[in-house]
Amino acid sequence: AQRVTQPEKLLSVFKGAPVELKCNYSYSGSPELFWYVQYSRQRLQLLLRHISRESIKGFTADLNKGETSFHLKKPFAQEEDSAMYYCALSGTGFQKLVFGTGTRLLVSP
Amino acid sequence: EAQVTQNPRYLITVTGKKLTVTCSQNMNHEYMSWYRQDPGLGLRQIYYSMNVEVTDKGDVPEGYKVSRKEKRNFPLILESPSPNQTSLYFCASSRDGRNTEAFFGQGTRLTVV
Repeated sequence: AQRVTQPEKLLSVFKGAPVELKCNYSYSGSPELFWYVQYSRQRLQLLLRHISRESIKGFTADLNKGETSFHLKKPFAQEEDSAMYYCALSGTGFQKLVFGTGTRLLVSP
Repeated sequence: EAQVTQNPRYLITVTGKKLTVTCSQNMNHEYMSWYRQDPGLGLRQIYYSMNVEVTDKGDVPEGYKVSRKEKRNFPLILESPSPNQTSLYFCASSRDGRNTEAFFGQGTRLTVV
């Protein structure tokens, strides 16, 4: 079965520090990975997806099939990055997104 | 503006009183789904629909019903709500269910007493 694991419920860093939000997945097929973000009082929205290989708001994520990981990274955290981050998985053969339990990122001044 | 709209945003109801949460999208998306969000459990899919009149169970379908009579609407029905259905509910739509971006509604916070 497909599964997404985000081991950290809360990640607290100071402004300017590097950030890495961990995401591991379990899926035997060809995965498609996403990061979604939910800012306070806003709806969930797509941050980035691995197929685009893009950097959004300074965040990047690399799909590592050997380690089955899709960690989200940013070299210098900003206060406005404080939010709930969800890693999600999709793939051939199943028509849905499987979400992890989420990591709350708190960036302090 | 392209969006997914849910109503109501907040609802308090009593056990056993049937309720419907509406969801509408204006992007002509084929795929729509419902999730519930609970602390420590993340988002779990309740039901999804790949097109009009095509619906299927997600991971936690018990106690819920859905219908997809029109492409734009995907209501969530709780025939006999119970306190364990107290949760934050999100509707989402996407062009398809796989590698395209999912657009989410604002959420509906439901409390069943």
